[in-house]
Amino acid sequence: AQSVAQPEDQVNVAEGNPLTVKCTYSVSGNPYLFWYVQYPNRGLQFLLKYITGDNLVKGSYGFEAEFNKSQTSFHLKKPSALVSDSALYFCAVRASSGSARQLTFGSGTQLTVLP
Amino acid sequence: GAGVSQSPSNKVTEKGKDVELRCDPISGHTALYWYRQSLGQGLEFLIYFQGNSAPDKSGLPSDRFSAERTGGSVSTLTIQRTQQEDSAVYLCASSLEVGGYEQYFGPGTRLTVT
Repeated sequence: AQSVAQPEDQVNVAEGNPLTVKCTYSVSGNPYLFWYVQYPNRGLQFLLKYITGDNLVKGSYGFEAEFNKSQTSFHLKKPSALVSDSALYFCAVRASSGSARQLTFGSGTQLTVLP
Repeated sequence: GAGVSQSPSNKVTEKGKDVELRCDPISGHTALYWYRQSLGQGLEFLIYFQGNSAPDKSGLPSDRFSAERTGGSVSTLTIQRTQQEDSAVYLCASSLEVGGYEQYFGPGTRLTVT
């Protein structure tokens, strides 16, 4: 079975400061990893993914994430936070092999960027 | 291009009634997924369609839930004899599956069972 842990329900950061939203995963074999963002009363928007290759992946709105196989982590980062980044962030995983294609999501982290 | 669309955006129904939720995926996407988002359970997978293959129904919570995908495009999720615990936001997603992998989500249908 695959699982995702987002240990922080809430992350607060001052505007202009770097932000990190943590994610660890468990999956059989190699993972495909994703970050999504959800604004109030909206669906999930895709931010970035790790499939293979470079461990540091870059995505939308200046976000990036680092895949660390030994620590089974995929933390989301941004060098300088904006107030408009305030939203609910979800990490998700699926196995790269096998018949299951659905995503398993973490419980979400509410990011608040303070002006 | 158009994204994933879902209808209705909101649905209020009485306990025991049947409801149908519709999803129109991104054109050309071969894979279609249904998820449910609720406060207590987070984001849960319900069912997955890939092309003409038999759907993966492993996430459906009970036999009151069913889904179909006609012509490889539009999908309908049906909940029979709705219960209060069915209240949630039902999200549909689609993907290219080959190469892309990322799933693109619709805005969801908020279902309230009274």
